Amino acid sequence: ETGVTQTPRHLVMGMTNKKSLKCEQHLGHNAMYWYKQSAKKPLELMFVYSLEERVENNSVPSRFSPECPNSSHLFLHLHTLQPEDSALYLCASSQVEGDTFVTGELFFGEGSRLTVL
Amino acid sequence: GQNIDQPTEMTATEGAIVQINCTYQTSGFNGLFWYQQHAGEAPTFLSYNVLDGLEEKGRFSSFLSRSKGYSYLLLKELQMKDSASYLCAVRDSNYQLIWGAGTKLIIKP
Repeated sequence: ETGVTQTPRHLVMGMTNKKSLKCEQHLGHNAMYWYKQSAKKPLELMFVYSLEERVENNSVPSRFSPECPNSSHLFLHLHTLQPEDSALYLCASSQVEGDTFVTGELFFGEGSRLTVL
Repeated sequence: GQNIDQPTEMTATEGAIVQINCTYQTSGFNGLFWYQQHAGEAPTFLSYNVLDGLEEKGRFSSFLSRSKGYSYLLLKELQMKDSASYLCAVRDSNYQLIWGAGTKLIIKP
């Protein structure tokens, strides 16, 4: 098993559909992240979970809904998306230490390529 | 605001040396990361600098000058497999990662 696994790798959905992205990490890390990657733009941090609690939500529209049932799994539930939401969605994990949330290097999955029609 | 600047695209020749620059303006500094991302693949960690100077790791080296808000990634003896995007990221005073848009490196034979 690779360190961070994302499914599906590719997803095409209509604006009225409901779908979910899944991420699983096999590294024993205590923090997981969702990032959005659009062409020629910096990575955008969407959500952070540390020890299964959401510690950050970067003003992401409510049509994106994260879920972290345990420290190894992270979901991103999608509903009534817009065409501008088409992007690569990357999951990452890391080991976090202390109250200041000092994180070591991030380990990324290969991403889910989302196309909204 | 916080900002990371790096060139959008660079081209180099197989066997040569290339330097990818990264300049940053952030609220504080707690380290700088370089990641490599091949097309369609996950970004992977290359290097981490928190003190001024050069960190060497095989064919790859990373340099940091905190006073200048500047870093570079140096790739020697370029190989075709080095064709990828290189992402610069700075950890600010709140330990948040601020990312550059990445530099696409094209290696020609």
